[in-house]
Amino acid sequence: DQQVKQNSPSLSVQEGRISILNCDYTNSMFDYFLWYKKYPAEGPTFLISISSIKDKNEDGRFTVFLNKSAKHLSLHIVPSQPGDSAVYFCAASAVDYKLSFGAGTTVTVRA
Amino acid sequence: ETGVTQTPRHLVMGMTNKKSLKCEQHLGHNAMYWYKQSAKKPLELMFVYSLEERVENNSVPSRFSPECPNSSHLFLHLHTLQPEDSALYLCASSKSRHLNTEAFFGQGTRLTVV
Repeated sequence: DQQVKQNSPSLSVQEGRISILNCDYTNSMFDYFLWYKKYPAEGPTFLISISSIKDKNEDGRFTVFLNKSAKHLSLHIVPSQPGDSAVYFCAASAVDYKLSFGAGTTVTVRA
Repeated sequence: ETGVTQTPRHLVMGMTNKKSLKCEQHLGHNAMYWYKQSAKKPLELMFVYSLEERVENNSVPSRFSPECPNSSHLFLHLHTLQPEDSALYLCASSKSRHLNTEAFFGQGTRLTVV
C-alpha cells in the first residue's frame, strides 16, 4: 500500500514563474517530511525537509508547506529556473525512521 | 559528487547469470541502504545495514543477497533474476539508521535483465 502519493507525474512551468508540487500521505504517524531532487543519471539529493511541529520551512527559492489535518504537503519553487528541471520525490518517515517515497513528479522549466 | 559511489552504472545480465553491484562511501557513515526504483514507482527500501549488521530486509526475494563487509562497502549479489527485476538500484548511506532522513544517495546502477 502506497503511503506517500504524488498524483501529478509531471509539471511544466515557465521560467521565472512558481512551481508547485503536491504530495499526499496516508500514515498519520509520519512526523518528518522531505523533498529529494533527482537529475537523470544521478541519485536523489536532499532538497528540503519539514518536521510535523512546523507548517512551513523556507530555504532560498524553496518553501515546503505542511497541512497535517489534510495530510498534505507541497513544495513551492519561486522563481523557477531551467536548472530546476528534474524529478522531485516527496518522502516521509515515522518513528521507525524508514523513509517512504512517492513516485516522483517530473518538473520541466521552459525558457 | 555525493560521496557515495556505485559501480557499475549500467548492467545487462541474463536470467542465469550471477553478478554483483557495489557501493562505496567514505563519509564516515554507519548505515547503508539498498533501494529499488522501478519506472513510475516510488523508491522501495530493500535492505538496511547498521554498523555492518543487517537490520532490515523488506521481504526481498532470495535472488537478491546483500553483503556488508565493512562500514564503507555494500554489495548486492544477484542470481537468477527475472526480467521484472530490471530497475534502477540505488545505494544510500547516513550517519546512523536513526538519521536515515539525511541519506546520501549514489548515482545508481541501471539493471536490465534479459
